[in-house]
Amino acid sequence: DAKTTQPPSMDCAEGRAANLPCNHSTISGNEYVYWYRQIHSQGPQYIIHGLKNNETNEMASLIITEDRKSSTLILPHATLRDTAVYYCIVRVKMYSGGGADGLTFGKGTHLIIQP
Amino acid sequence: DGGITQSPKYLFRKEGQNVTLSCEQNLNHDAMYWYRQDPGQGLRLIYYSQIVNDFQKGDIAEGYSVSREKKESFPLTVTSAQKNPTAFYLCASSIAGRVNEKLFFGSGTQLSVL
Repeated sequence: DAKTTQPPSMDCAEGRAANLPCNHSTISGNEYVYWYRQIHSQGPQYIIHGLKNNETNEMASLIITEDRKSSTLILPHATLRDTAVYYCIVRVKMYSGGGADGLTFGKGTHLIIQP
Repeated sequence: DGGITQSPKYLFRKEGQNVTLSCEQNLNHDAMYWYRQDPGQGLRLIYYSQIVNDFQKGDIAEGYSVSREKKESFPLTVTSAQKNPTAFYLCASSIAGRVNEKLFFGSGTQLSVL
C-alpha cells in the first residue's frame, strides 16, 4: 500500500469549512483513498473513500487531484464535535473472494475546532 | 443495535500473566481484526481473521495469540512474552471480500501493566 503524508495538526474555526490535505505521491492506479477519524479514546470511524472522482456523503467531501497524488477531505461546516485525529489511507481495493487484510493507519492529522 | 463490543474497558496485567481481551460483533461480518495503538501513534495490526477457524499474523503479532471459533467472537490473548503490553487495543470487523473495505471499530480496551 502506498504511503501517505499528512500535517500533524490543524486548527479551524467553528462553522467554517475544514480542509484536510493528504499527499500520496506513490499511489498506484488501483489504490483507493480512505478517510477515517478517531475521537479521543474511541475507535476510528469511517468517513469516506474514493478512487479518482470526487465523492460526497452526509459527513464530508473528498477531492482527489487529477494526477491522484494528493487529496483533500472537506468538512463543510465544522463543529466542536469534529475535533479528532483524521487518518488518510491508500490501499488496493479487495475484490470478491480476495479477502480482507485490514488497513494501515499512520499518525494522521489532529484537527482542533476552535469556538 | 448492531455493533462491536469490547470488554473490559480497562484491564490491568501483572508481570508474567496472560490476559484475554474480548471482542464480540453482531454485524454478521466475516472479517475481524485486532489493532494496537500507543500514545500519539497510529494503529498497528496485530492479527486478522477472514473466516471462522482461520487467522493471519499482522505486523506485530509476537507476544499475542488469537482464536476464531465463532463468527461473532475474536478474543485476543496478551501473553507474558509481550514485554511492553501497555497500550490501547482496538477490535474491528468488516464484510470480507466486499469491494467496500469499511472497518467498524469497537470502543477499545486500555491495558496497563501493574
